[in-house]
Amino acid sequence: DGGITQSPKYLFRKEGQNVTLSCEQNLNHDAMYWYRQDPGQGLRLIYYSQIVNDFQKGDIAEGYSVSREKKESFPLTVTSAQKNPTAFYLCASSATPSTWASYEQYFGPGTRLTVT
Amino acid sequence: GNSVTQMEGPVTLSEEAFLTINCTYTATGYPSLFWYVQYPGEGLQLLLKATKADDKGSNKGFEATYRKETTSFHLEKGSVQVSDSAVYFCAPTSYNTDKLIFGTGTRLQVFP
Repeated sequence: DGGITQSPKYLFRKEGQNVTLSCEQNLNHDAMYWYRQDPGQGLRLIYYSQIVNDFQKGDIAEGYSVSREKKESFPLTVTSAQKNPTAFYLCASSATPSTWASYEQYFGPGTRLTVT
Repeated sequence: GNSVTQMEGPVTLSEEAFLTINCTYTATGYPSLFWYVQYPGEGLQLLLKATKADDKGSNKGFEATYRKETTSFHLEKGSVQVSDSAVYFCAPTSYNTDKLIFGTGTRLQVFP
């Protein structure tokens, strides 16, 4: 079955440590995205990538970094510079949109990160 | 840029009641419109979509019509079930990109 996997489901870290969240997709999608979700709020875009070896900052990129070395993988690193890292992180992917169509995004199950 | 406004929740209904969750957007151009659903502790799942004016998206008994004149995409279901309890997100695409703009979500609670 095709889909998006995120691991681990729960992650705990001490303040001051960097942590990397995994996101893998086997849908052959070109575009991948990282979102942050806080309780009672919508999703905010952290980074996105439309092609291998290229990515762009979203609305809240400060304190985060990404890489896109393979089409299937888009790991997110939460650095110690991120002031409030505790949140639910969601990865998504989509096929590259044509001029006349927008393709829906497919989401992974999420990783809940707790930093103390 | 484009933005979206959803009705605040929670929306509390009895089983078999009629559901409406309002969604309005501001947009440059003609965005595609999506409704996503999130069950507790999970990621988002696409519920339905519409890509041009007057299109009606439908799935699992839910419907929404792309109304360009009122810039709305309200979600409706004729008879809700307890299993529909979740958070629902309306999301138009951003102008001239494939990025989605998410509303704050509306929590639906259905009681037997």
